[in-house]
This record gives sequence, structure tokens and C-alpha cells, in this order.
Amino acid sequence: DQQVKQNSPSLSVQEGRISILNCDYTNSMFDYFLWYKKYPAEGPTFLISISSIKDKNEDGRFTVFLNKSAKHLSLHIVPSQPGDSAVYFCAAENSGGSNYKLTFGKGTLLTVNP
Amino acid sequence: KAGVTQTPRYLIKTRGQQVTLSCSPISGHRSVSWYQQTPGQGLQFLFEYFSETQRNKGNFPGRFSGRQFSNSRSEMNVSTLELGDSALYLCASSPGNGNQPQHFGDGTRLSIL
Repeated sequence: DQQVKQNSPSLSVQEGRISILNCDYTNSMFDYFLWYKKYPAEGPTFLISISSIKDKNEDGRFTVFLNKSAKHLSLHIVPSQPGDSAVYFCAAENSGGSNYKLTFGKGTLLTVNP
Repeated sequence: KAGVTQTPRYLIKTRGQQVTLSCSPISGHRSVSWYQQTPGQGLQFLFEYFSETQRNKGNFPGRFSGRQFSNSRSEMNVSTLELGDSALYLCASSPGNGNQPQHFGDGTRLSIL
């Protein structure tokens, strides 16, 4: 049972445009959500997170939106740069239940074309 | 600030052997988690340690075990290795109090021949 789903295996955008990566979850106990970026041969790098008490969090070019009723979150990257090309993972945690484990989606490969 | 350090980076073993992987967390972080990444299953949670105690465990067989030392460094052990254990093993650390991101090392690539 996949509790965190990233339905788009890949996404291709032009440099300077917006990249929108989507993630859906099924477990209503999740209360903390994160996005990670991963390059080949490296570990995931933390990008941005959001608590379930918020619906938006912004950090520079990265914004995460959370729609709790739809159990959906998205990551917006504006403007997209070629260096953003990587695999992006959505992850969720039930920190309120002292369940300190991350459940990951399968990832979306983002390619930003110059 | 030094990141999460995992050793070794690469390891080749044969079926039936055992292996120990090491993880040094970010200074001050008391929680260490381990994950397995494979092409088919993605990133899957193995277990999490906080102050030398295992707080959470994923759905892996008992051949997978771990421990944490008083300085928060952690080791993961896999016994009686199987071909299917070939994977990237990732360690992550965090302060451990919830609503704080886990930070990952670059992993140990384990290949079973």
C-alpha cells in the first residue's frame, strides 16, 4: 500500500519557466511533509518542508503548497534552472504520533532544458 | 558544519556473508535513521534510533539490525546476505524532536555477488 504517491515519473520544462511537482498521500495521520532533491551517486538533499498547520511555505525559488482536504501537496520552482535537474522525492511523517520515520514517494525526474 | 558521513561508500560481498555499515550524524543530532533504496521499491525505512534506543522499525526481516552508540554514531548490520539485499543504504540524522528535517549522507552502495 503506497501511502505517498508521485504519479509523474518525469517532467521536462524550459529554463526560466515554472516547474510544478505533485504528490498525493493517503494517510491522514501525516502531519509533516518534505521535499528532497537527489543527484545520482549522492544522498537526498533536503529542500523545503511544511507542517500540516500551514498551507504554504516559501524559501527562495521554492514554494510548497499543502491541500489537506485533498491530501495533496506540490512543489513549485520559479524560475527553473538547469542545475535543478534531478530526481525530486516527496516524503511525509507522522511526527505528532512520535512516528519518526519518513515515507517516500517513488520520485519525479525533473529535466530543465537550457 | 559537517554533514552526515557514511562509510564505506562501496562494498561488495557474497551471499551468506554479513556486513556492517557505519554512520556518523551531524554534530548535535540525536536521531539516526536508516533507509534502503532499490530501483523497484524506492526508499524504504529500516529503523530509527534516538539516544541509543530503537524507536521505530520498518518491515524488514530480523537479518537487518542496528545500534546506536552514546556519541550518536550508528551502525547497521545485515547477516546472511541475499542477492536481493543489493541496494543503496542511506543514513539520515535529525535532532529527533519532530517537525525537523532529516539530513542524509551519500549512502553505502552494497553489491551482493
